[in-house]
Amino acid sequence: QSALTQPPSASGTPGQRVTISCSGSSSNIENSYVYWYQQLPGAAPKLLMYLNSQRPSGVPDRFSGSKSSTSASLAISGLRSEDEADYYCAAWDDSLSGWVFGGGTKLTVL
Amino acid sequence: QVQLVESGGGLVQPGRSLRLSCAASGFTFSSYAMHWVRRGPGKGLEWVGFISSDGTNTEYADSMQGRFIIARDSSTNTVFLQMSGLRPEDTAVYHCARAPNTVEAPDVWGKGTTVTVSS
Repeated sequence: QSALTQPPSASGTPGQRVTISCSGSSSNIENSYVYWYQQLPGAAPKLLMYLNSQRPSGVPDRFSGSKSSTSASLAISGLRSEDEADYYCAAWDDSLSGWVFGGGTKLTVL
Repeated sequence: QVQLVESGGGLVQPGRSLRLSCAASGFTFSSYAMHWVRRGPGKGLEWVGFISSDGTNTEYADSMQGRFIIARDSSTNTVFLQMSGLRPEDTAVYHCARAPNTVEAPDVWGKGTTVTVSS
């Protein structure tokens, strides 16, 4: 069971806006920055968002991140077929003294 | 370009040991902390541990503590994961990843190497 909770699946049609949630606790999300990764099948995870809401160079501004208290979310607007992937949130956990990941959300573009 | 290439995976019997390697290129290796993260079949990502940029500090997930050791060699720009007492539940794709420091999450990952623990 992951320390961070994500919905196992999400879906949308091209052009729609989709939000993926990540729920944690005071030992992780509330007192840590949240990071988001995208993993395409057979590929390395790719950093999508760091320090809660910062996009690395090359990540489209269709992707945005936010955090409030013990929860975080990743929003994808203008959904495209190439966005179909697994998405993970991550944060440092003070109680575990380690990095924790969400269980992952499989995004399907219908 | 920044590249991380893992190797050393394979089929290993329960209780045996295995050493994974990760060759880094395209960046100043000695300036980055290095992580190992795994993904079991049908599972999500699980953090294994990290080693600081100078190699003096390591941290591990509780379930790996005492069985896994991370080391690095700056002369060859390689980070290692020495795994002992392997269990079937250690079966996974193991990724190495770099991080700007020990308080930030990884920013670049390798494609991974597959470890299968089975008799």
